[in-house]
Amino acid sequence: AQKVTQAQTEISVVEKEDVTLDCVYETRDTTYYLFWYKQPPSGELVFLIRRNSFDEQNEISGRYSWNFQKSTSSFNFTITASQVVDSAVYFCALSAGIQGAQKLVFGQGTRLTINP
Amino acid sequence: GAVVSQHPSRVICKSGTSVKIECRSLDFQATTMFWYRQFPKQSLMLMATSNEGSKATYEQGVEKDKFLINHASLTLSTLTVTSAHPEDSSFYICSARDEGGSYNEQFFGPGTRLTVL
Repeated sequence: AQKVTQAQTEISVVEKEDVTLDCVYETRDTTYYLFWYKQPPSGELVFLIRRNSFDEQNEISGRYSWNFQKSTSSFNFTITASQVVDSAVYFCALSAGIQGAQKLVFGQGTRLTINP
Repeated sequence: GAVVSQHPSRVICKSGTSVKIECRSLDFQATTMFWYRQFPKQSLMLMATSNEGSKATYEQGVEKDKFLINHASLTLSTLTVTSAHPEDSSFYICSARDEGGSYNEQFFGPGTRLTVL
């Protein structure tokens, strides 16, 4: 069975601080995909990144970066120089199997508040 | 990118009535669509997998007679909440799987907020 754990329920920081959102996953499949989504107050899910299990390279996209570590089954997300617009709920998710054939399993989400 | 729409975006109904929510893939065909439910301050929980031309597959604990799913075409899946009650009030999100690419990407709709009075 697949499981995703986001231990941080809520995080609150002051603008311009760096913040890391943790994600730990469980799966017995050797082929799987990991995702991060942002859910602003409007409710619509915004896709941020997809990573497959064979690609452990860290990724940077502007102020966002992701650290994938298979040894600890973690896929952490860091926002550098946070901004108020980053305030949202962030979900980590997992889809196992070839081409992500199995269903998408979401973590509990982390509510991030960036204070001015 | 691929676009998925949902209609209506918001609905308020009286207890006991039925509500239909539509999920459409606008620029790709989707043999598989998914329906999720999200209660306030909680995560997305998969309710069912909608398969074009066949019966939906429901997750454990989801009543198939209460949440009717119809996937009659490659671009449309509907979720009908029958005899809705206040406890059915939730945010319903659909996604559609684009099987045309190298990865079966799921694209999410904007969600439908259901309030049952």
